[in-house]
Amino acid sequence: EAGVVQSPRYKIIEKKQPVAFWCNPISGHNTLYWYLQNLGQGPELLIRYENEEAVDDSQLPKDRFSAERLKGVDSTLKIQPAELGDSAVYLCASSLGGVTDTQYFGPGTRLTVL
Amino acid sequence: AQRVTQPEKLLSVFKGAPVELKCNYSYSGSPELFWYVQYSRQRLQLLLRHISRESIKGFTADLNKGETSFHLKKPFAQEEDSAMYYCAFLKRGGSEKLVFGKGTKLTVNP
Repeated sequence: EAGVVQSPRYKIIEKKQPVAFWCNPISGHNTLYWYLQNLGQGPELLIRYENEEAVDDSQLPKDRFSAERLKGVDSTLKIQPAELGDSAVYLCASSLGGVTDTQYFGPGTRLTVL
Repeated sequence: AQRVTQPEKLLSVFKGAPVELKCNYSYSGSPELFWYVQYSRQRLQLLLRHISRESIKGFTADLNKGETSFHLKKPFAQEEDSAMYYCAFLKRGGSEKLVFGKGTKLTVNP
């Protein structure tokens, strides 16, 4: 079992450019999470999906961030345009059921915006 | 505000010494608390949750409602315990989610 897969692992872009991150959760896991982790901080939830439905996107900055989870499996998180302050690690996690189930994290994508 | 506080950013102990990583919470209700760990070059993973009341890798954590604490303890630290440790609680109602502390970096010296 590969666990949660994320790509790319690292991304360097210039400000105002678009960027996209991809996540493949553990097979059979219905709930998928995207977290933002700034340097020296714990992860902060951006969005939670249950199957295809975004059930909590209250922390997602909708002016520049968007996400989708087609067919209730893979998910993509996009930033357009990126700003310097978006430099962080973006973590994807999945759980079999809802938030009370154990969350399994991916390795993360480290984004650097120049 | 509902949050967890990990007062120590860094903690260094010697191998074989007891270790305690502190976590205090501020939450109106019955909290569900967790400890997550991230070893070097590995992904974040669940270490233990208080409702399980189990010991993982020799670590235990007891919920103290009076002191609103959930400190992580191990009687004899090992070098392989060196990692980043995050305390978290499950926020209920409305936006249900895990809320993480800022983490404590534990270094166990030989």
